Amino acid sequence: NAGVTQTPKFRILKIGQSMTLQCTQDMNHNYMYWYRQDPGMGLKLIYYSVGAGITDKGEVPNGYNVSRSTTEDFPLRLELAAPSQTSVYFCASSYTSFSGGYGYTFGSGTRLTVV
Amino acid sequence: QQQVKQSPQSLIVQKGGIPIINCAYENTAFDYFPWYQQFPGKGPALLIAIRPDVSEKKEGRFTISFNKSAKQFSLHIMDSQPGDSATYFCAAGRLNSNYQLIWGAGTKLIIKP
Repeated sequence: NAGVTQTPKFRILKIGQSMTLQCTQDMNHNYMYWYRQDPGMGLKLIYYSVGAGITDKGEVPNGYNVSRSTTEDFPLRLELAAPSQTSVYFCASSYTSFSGGYGYTFGSGTRLTVV
Repeated sequence: QQQVKQSPQSLIVQKGGIPIINCAYENTAFDYFPWYQQFPGKGPALLIAIRPDVSEKKEGRFTISFNKSAKQFSLHIMDSQPGDSATYFCAAGRLNSNYQLIWGAGTKLIIKP
């Protein structure tokens, strides 16, 4: 059981380049999320999905796109990379807990630098 | 109204001390308050969570105190150890929602030996 797997772990992009951050989960979770984490700024939601074929914008969606063709995969696409997109990106999926709440399982992150 | 304010931004405590991290929220519709722990190079992991029908919850050395009238909640770490050094995030959410969480900015905790 691998949980949430993100690739790549590190990437350097030049301004204007594009790339896709991959995210796969093997827990059959319907809900998945993409966050960016900047120093001292906590986690900002980029996009989320409530199931295959359904996605919606989060707090900071500009410059990003997502798709969800299967329950397992939730890739994040960066078009025309800008220095402001330098960040650590986390993918997560959510589950309900025994206590009646819910938890997030996070991937290990992708550290992206745009130069 | 959607914000969760977390303090302090950083905290240094001697081993065995009791670090306390505080969070405040404004939206009274929130009814689920988890804490996450993040080690360097890793994603955050759920540590402990509380619902507003109780004022305190303990799991091992970690305790959440919840004050519904003040709209505040805090994390206490008893008998802190150097291995507890990490970044801690509070969050708030609504159980009957799409599982979204509103996150605090994080507290970097260092436990000195």
